[in-house]
Amino acid sequence: IQLTQSPSFLSASIGDRVTITCRASQGIRSYLAWYQQKPGKAPNLLIYAASTLQSGVPSRFSGSGSGTEFTLTISSLQPEDFATYHCQQLNSYPYSFGQGTKLEIK
Amino acid sequence: QVQLHESGPGLVKPSQTLSLTCTVSGASISGSDYYWSWIRQPPGGGLEWIGFIYYNGNTYSNPSLKSRVTISVDTSKNQFSLKLSSMTPADTAVYYCARDSDRDRLDYWGQGTLVTVSS
Repeated sequence: IQLTQSPSFLSASIGDRVTITCRASQGIRSYLAWYQQKPGKAPNLLIYAASTLQSGVPSRFSGSGSGTEFTLTISSLQPEDFATYHCQQLNSYPYSFGQGTKLEIK
Repeated sequence: QVQLHESGPGLVKPSQTLSLTCTVSGASISGSDYYWSWIRQPPGGGLEWIGFIYYNGNTYSNPSLKSRVTISVDTSKNQFSLKLSSMTPADTAVYYCARDSDRDRLDYWGQGTLVTVSS
């Protein structure tokens, strides 16, 4: 299953609301997770089951969608949110990831 | 808390076999709700899921890596391992181990280990 994230690069300002989209090449029900990755670090789980917030993750992060189209929304960007975001499908093997979205400061 | 730690060589010669071990602490590798995965990321690239193992030895490997992958588990040491044969420079990447909870999220990751393939 191929996952396509859009955009691949996103420039935004502190306080902005941003949305990243992940589209699957076939239906994956709600088996989608989102990760945040900072340079030189391992990915960190933000959202799983498309919309469930992982414990300890700030509530400004939210996820939605099912089937083939999913979104990650950050309601008000904070300085620590500038990073790369990855989606992953866990509906069927082999698991696969999107190509990543790099979020940069405008 | 749950921690995972990868160990292994940082440099491998072409055609050799890479061997990495992931040591798990703070959780039992024999937990029925957990699967244990390997993922890699080439420099500047995206994430690729390599495969997983369950505590009973059941495994699945990404067909993209064909028959080069072997994943094993040692429950007595709370470790699982990856072997990747016939290494080429294209296999240069940061290799991560991670816990798959309930088969719907990778909730704990190791810090990653960079493996370079070069003669």
